[in-house]
Amino acid sequence: SQKIEQNSEALNIQEGKTATLTCNYTNYSPAYLQWYRQDPGRGPVFLLLIRENEKEKRKERLKVTFDTTLKQSLFHITASQPADSATYLCALRTRGGSQGNLIFGKGTKLSVKP
Amino acid sequence: DGGITQSPKYLFRKEGQNVTLSCEQNLNHDAMYWYRQDPGQGLRLIYYSQIVNDFQKGDIAEGYSVSREKKESFPLTVTSAQKNPTAFYLCATAGGDTQYFGPGTRLTVL
Repeated sequence: SQKIEQNSEALNIQEGKTATLTCNYTNYSPAYLQWYRQDPGRGPVFLLLIRENEKEKRKERLKVTFDTTLKQSLFHITASQPADSATYLCALRTRGGSQGNLIFGKGTKLSVKP
Repeated sequence: DGGITQSPKYLFRKEGQNVTLSCEQNLNHDAMYWYRQDPGQGLRLIYYSQIVNDFQKGDIAEGYSVSREKKESFPLTVTSAQKNPTAFYLCATAGGDTQYFGPGTRLTVL
């Protein structure tokens, strides 16, 4: 069966440390993978997109890696801050899927303690 | 001021009643989506529309209906046939590869 899993429901880290979130998928052929941030009671906000032929993408303190052999993406937040506390969703677009359609993981709730 | 608006933010419904959730966008995007989110769950696709006057069922369309008469608008009706409608509903548009989400409507069935 096809699955997209974010391994941890919750991740607690200390301010200043690097947060690493994991997204694994099975039985999909991804065209690209995206990461979104969602604050409580609000809609998700797009952060980064990485394509199947890319290994790494960076944006300020954020870094995403994509390993299609391991079927895994890692999302890193360096020098984490309490303001980074939120739920982070990974989303996958399959090759051959309808334009723009995404499959979402359940999310990992990140808490950064001061 | 571009964006996606959803109304109302909170909605209460009695069992057996139909209710319509509004979604309006001024991003000029062709594709629009409705998702449902339950606590601890990912986003599940209800319906999507790639173009005006056309829409397709998503993974959990039973008990829901939509229309797409205008590019800007994609209302979702939660019918009495939906057995467990209490949830957070999110509307989104797609501009290229990225989805843009509205603020959501929290529906509670009393």
